[in-house]
Amino acid sequence: DQQVKQNSPSLSVQEGRISILNCDYTNSMFDYFLWYKKYPAEGPTFLISISSIKDKNEDGRFTVFLNKSAKHLSLHIVPSQPGDSAVYFCAASAIRNTGKLIFGQGTTLQVKP
Amino acid sequence: KAGVTQTPRYLIKTRGQQVTLSCSPISGHRSVSWYQQTPGQGLQFLFEYFSETQRNKGNFPGRFSGRQFSNSRSEMNVSTLELGDSALYLCASRSITGGRLTGNTIYFGEGSWLTVV
Repeated sequence: DQQVKQNSPSLSVQEGRISILNCDYTNSMFDYFLWYKKYPAEGPTFLISISSIKDKNEDGRFTVFLNKSAKHLSLHIVPSQPGDSAVYFCAASAIRNTGKLIFGQGTTLQVKP
Repeated sequence: KAGVTQTPRYLIKTRGQQVTLSCSPISGHRSVSWYQQTPGQGLQFLFEYFSETQRNKGNFPGRFSGRQFSNSRSEMNVSTLELGDSALYLCASRSITGGRLTGNTIYFGEGSWLTVV
């Protein structure tokens, strides 16, 4: 039972344009969501998070949007840079299990110069 | 501030052996959790410890165990290794204090690559 889904395995974007990565979840108990960036053979690097009391959170070029009614979140990267090329994972946790993250399968982003 | 540190980074073991992986959390972080990453199953939660007690456990067999020391360092152990245990094992830490967002943001180490032959 995949509680967190990233339905696009890959995404290719031109440098300078917007990258939009999507994530859907099924468990209504999830109330904290995070995005991580990962390079091969390295650990995930935390990018940005959002709690369920908000619908948007911004940090520099990264913005995360949360639509609770649709159980959907997205990560916007503007402008995209070649160094952003990596695998992006969304993850979710529930208030009673905040130390346990459920991850999506990941989306490979390629930003072309 | 140093990040999450894991040792060893790479190791090769034989089926049937056991392995112990170590993790030092970010200074001041009291919770340590472990994850397994494989190509087929993705990133999966193993267990979480804080105050030297296991607080949460994922869906893994009893061959996977862990512990946490009074200084918040943690070890995980896998006994009777199987070929399918070959994976990247990730340790992560969080502070559990400092507010809902700050305390719950989980930071990962570089991982320990385990190959079972």
